[in-house]
Amino acid sequence: QSALTQPASVSGSPGQSITISCSGTSSDVGGYNYVSWYQQHPGKAPKVIIYDVSNRPSGVSNRFSGSTSGNTASLTISGLQAEDEADYYCSSFTPSSTLNWVFGGGTKLTVL
Amino acid sequence: QLQLQESGPGLVKPSETLSLTCTVSGGSISSSSLYWGLIRQPPGKGLEWIGSIYYSGSPYYNPSLKSRVTISVDTSKNQFSLNLRSVTAADTAVYYCARLSMVRTHAFDIWGQGTVVTVPS
Repeated sequence: QSALTQPASVSGSPGQSITISCSGTSSDVGGYNYVSWYQQHPGKAPKVIIYDVSNRPSGVSNRFSGSTSGNTASLTISGLQAEDEADYYCSSFTPSSTLNWVFGGGTKLTVL
Repeated sequence: QLQLQESGPGLVKPSETLSLTCTVSGGSISSSSLYWGLIRQPPGKGLEWIGSIYYSGSPYYNPSLKSRVTISVDTSKNQFSLNLRSVTAADTAVYYCARLSMVRTHAFDIWGQGTVVTVPS
């Protein structure tokens, strides 16, 4: 299985919106609605911010939203804030011959 | 509030076996619909899924690690464990335990703080 493809970095100014893409295949992102997104601040464990493509866990800001189109998932952060600066990872369920999970390579978000 | 805590060796010599234990507190490892996962992150790199296990089922492994990995559950101790054989410097990483909810979120929704494992080259 190959990692999902994300841009290495994105940036935006406070108040702006940014979108991070996550490209996969019909065997993962495009085949199941089990895409999740994780936020990771330096030295901390990842935290799930989106699950099942577009659902937010309790306590996660509604500034975070997710979607898919074909084999590509997207995370949009609106109203950028300084605390959003972090690494973001997408992940997808990919059964193939066993119950597998795959992560994207990660995207560093810089808030200018 | 369910919590996960990793305990690992810190330093493992090349060719030896890395053994790591994840302790679940504030909940039962035997809860239905919950899987338990192990994910690692090499220094400065991204996340890599190692494998997942259900308390009463067979484990699932990343195909790239399958020949060297064993994940098991000890329900009496509310723990699950990782054994990674024949380690090399490429196995140096932060190792995380995580809860995988296959009914509610289909995501790794609770993580441990992670434990650093170093394999010297």
